[in-house]
Amino acid sequence: DTEVTQTPKHLVMGMTNKKSLKCEQHMGHRAMYWYKQKAKKPPELMFVYSYEKLSINESVPSRFSPECPNSSLLNLHLHALQPEDSALYLCASSPGTSGTSEQFFGPGTRLTVL
Amino acid sequence: KNQVEQSPQSLIILEGKNCTLQCNYTVSPFSNLRWYKQDTGRGPVSLTIMTFSENTKSNGRYTATLDADTKQSSLHITASQLSDSASYICVVSLMGGYNKLIFGAGTRLAVHP
Repeated sequence: DTEVTQTPKHLVMGMTNKKSLKCEQHMGHRAMYWYKQKAKKPPELMFVYSYEKLSINESVPSRFSPECPNSSLLNLHLHALQPEDSALYLCASSPGTSGTSEQFFGPGTRLTVL
Repeated sequence: KNQVEQSPQSLIILEGKNCTLQCNYTVSPFSNLRWYKQDTGRGPVSLTIMTFSENTKSNGRYTATLDADTKQSSLHITASQLSDSASYICVVSLMGGYNKLIFGAGTRLAVHP
């Protein structure tokens, strides 16, 4: 299996809802990432997990809560989001965290906050 | 400041024609440069990855070049197809740290029949 999968593909939620995004990879990668991408903009890094531990939080608001239950899974828990949080959320994984380690991206979850 | 700039911002070509996309970067410490293809609403897919010692790398009809001295890269697409319509993103990886990627804004390519 050489891909990163993300579910759901689309998500619509209200500002009072709680929802979760899921990401999975079975390539044995030890680093996983969450990115946020607004329309016609490049992806912006949110979180980095290395060996199942959170190593980077790019000053993301607490209404986004990442979780890495095991080396293959990465979740992003959402609560009390704002309409401006509507975006494409991308998950990526890489064998390691060195600069030579290629990141493989999932297809993304299109999130709409009403 | 680490930056990646791409040109043109958008491009329209006819099916079967060739095109070249440009990328200039000011990133340090440099690890490698990658070109990704991103279809609308989908995740980026890697086309090529080059270290500073590599000048050219090909992937089918895609050929990337890298000039580490001038800090420039290009992506040449040969015999374009309708399915090449997408955004092409130049990404530079930093040495060390946590595999931080510096993304360009992308070139939006439209291939018309």
